[in-house]
Amino acid sequence: DSGVTQTPKHLITATGQRVTLRCSPRSGDLSVYWYQQSLDQGLQFLIQYYNGEERAKGNILERFSAQQFPDLHSELNLSSLELGDSALYFCASSVTGGLSYNSPLHFGNGTRLTVT
Amino acid sequence: TQLLEQSPQFLSIQEGENLTVYCNSSSVFSSLQWYRQEPGEGPVLLVTVVTGGEVKKLKRLTFQFGDARKDSSLHITAAQPGDTGLYLCAGGGIYGGSQGNLIFGKGTKLSVKP
Repeated sequence: DSGVTQTPKHLITATGQRVTLRCSPRSGDLSVYWYQQSLDQGLQFLIQYYNGEERAKGNILERFSAQQFPDLHSELNLSSLELGDSALYFCASSVTGGLSYNSPLHFGNGTRLTVT
Repeated sequence: TQLLEQSPQFLSIQEGENLTVYCNSSSVFSSLQWYRQEPGEGPVLLVTVVTGGEVKKLKRLTFQFGDARKDSSLHITAAQPGDTGLYLCAGGGIYGGSQGNLIFGKGTKLSVKP
């Protein structure tokens, strides 16, 4: 158990809809990262927050947004959903916002999003 | 654009066999990580290597970072069914930068049959 909690585990919705994915980081971790995993693209970094502020941005679509709340949990909002958005969405957390031996990434078990 | 190529994409072997999977790039990385992901779960970090030529061992798993820090390999000795999973490599850019800048390969899917 990584200590990172993601809800819901599965989500099925229709094209054009909006969904919210939730992540609670490991206790003590200040950074939250969102990744999208699909069969053809692999694991793609979307966005990182550190202590409530956006730290880094990856290949995140304009239809997607995220935030980190004062209690450090994070939400990823996906809107105007398309069939191609179907994927596994992972949240990861780390103690600090930088790459180091002492601050590895811990991944949650993901949310499987299916857009029909 | 940095790109990590992993090979083979799929590998199916019998219990007790040895295997090596590769992670290659044309770019230089300051560090490289290996993860294992099991179905229905998130990736779990196995090791981080940062020095060119570095070799790390984790029980039956041996990880090597290429001298030029462009490639890495994972060797498993006497594979067991519990080694089954998706093995991902991830390259880091500037040390100390955001971990979000990790570039992941697409993975090698390993199946070890008893």
